[in-house]
Amino acid sequence: GESVGLHLPTLSVQEGDNSIINCAYSNSASDYFIWYKQESGKGPQFIIDIRSNMDKRQGQRVTVLLNKTVKHLSLQIAATQPGDSAVYFCAEKSWGDYKLSFGAGTTVTVRA
Amino acid sequence: KAGVTQTPRYLIKTRGQQVTLSCSPISGHRSVSWYQQTPGQGLQFLFEYFSETQRNKGNFPGRFSGRQFSNSRSEMNVSTLELGDSALYLCASYKSFDRENTEAFFGQGTRLTVV
Repeated sequence: GESVGLHLPTLSVQEGDNSIINCAYSNSASDYFIWYKQESGKGPQFIIDIRSNMDKRQGQRVTVLLNKTVKHLSLQIAATQPGDSAVYFCAEKSWGDYKLSFGAGTTVTVRA
Repeated sequence: KAGVTQTPRYLIKTRGQQVTLSCSPISGHRSVSWYQQTPGQGLQFLFEYFSETQRNKGNFPGRFSGRQFSNSRSEMNVSTLELGDSALYLCASYKSFDRENTEAFFGQGTRLTVV
């Protein structure tokens, strides 16, 4: 599968391969980390979240990994499909802040 | 159930004018947040409202303001528009912005172009 060690703005993936999107966050006090998917012409759509006291969480075809030691978050997408082509954002949230802080997005393009 | 509705979808305004954008959250959602999305700055938080009270405001000039009504609908206003205000303005709603509700539902946004 395709993987990126550091955050890159674009990722090209062969259909059927696994893809990994990385994100570095800044606030060690954040309580929640969330991944969003934004398709062209649409608002961001929630994919999966993870509490700060967890290091892994799985959803349908997606897995989020959290490494608090290096402040790193990743989203793994299994068997990438054409419908996965979109911009992916990570976001962090702290209780009492009432806001999401978004990272720079990664544009994922799925090759047929 | 109906999603978050933002109106209008597109706007073209002239520098110096003002604009009002509207957001209707999902029924039952009491928290509404606004974000500005631009290619250069990404998604930037503007403000968050809950039960008509602003609980947080982002680092934007005072030309940006907002409010929430008793039915949870929200509006944001930008006065004295500048070219740099051209952006996609996104509204997100939560049942309530707390530990048990982490999923934000975003509208499709209002695309504002300032000429």
